[in-house]
Amino acid sequence: GAVVSQHPSRVICKSGTSVKIECRSLDFQATTMFWYRQFPKQSLMLMATSNEGSKATYEQGVEKDKFLINHASLTLSTLTVTSAHPEDSSFYICSANDLAGVMETQYFGPGTRLLVL
Amino acid sequence: AQKVTQAQTEISVVEKEDVTLDCVYETRDTTYYLFWYKQPPSGELVFLIRRNSFDEQNEISGRYSWNFQKSTSSFNFTITASQVVDSAVYFCALSPFSGGYNKLIFGAGTRLAVHP
Repeated sequence: GAVVSQHPSRVICKSGTSVKIECRSLDFQATTMFWYRQFPKQSLMLMATSNEGSKATYEQGVEKDKFLINHASLTLSTLTVTSAHPEDSSFYICSANDLAGVMETQYFGPGTRLLVL
Repeated sequence: AQKVTQAQTEISVVEKEDVTLDCVYETRDTTYYLFWYKQPPSGELVFLIRRNSFDEQNEISGRYSWNFQKSTSSFNFTITASQVVDSAVYFCALSPFSGGYNKLIFGAGTRLAVHP
């Protein structure tokens, strides 16, 4: 099946620093990747849709200047949380559609736990 | 409105019991996909099934089965003879055609605890 990886799996940082999270599709190409945020015991909320070679599409209420997304290639998207604050602490999960196969199924990465002190 | 409701927040069963997780969805689209994902304690979402709106056939995969009924807008998930390894949070999700199948709308999730 389609495999998506994320790095790092866990990060602790000080308030005010920036954190970069990478999302890679390992065995398929993905023109579209998605970034979700999940607070404890809550559901996943879509933050943005990342398109290779173009600007990301952000969901309502998500600050594009705070959550920078770059989709540099068909296998890599990055999310940078700029000037992170404690309220940004969350579980960030990426997903990707398989370009070659059916577009309708999203495969998820293992997630990144961010803790901002 | 596009919405997924998983009314059961938490379910606790004893091993070998059968358990059904409910999912009710709302959409104005006539074409859409429905999904179930499993999220074990590690956090990773595991894809379980995709069903399109034109296929109401029930599906069985090992101990898992799914009942899709458009008349009641439900897509319920049954685990037969549950095992401790089934303990996880299960999410039902909707992908409407109007979202280009790109937008996954998740339910709140049902936390299943299977005790030995």
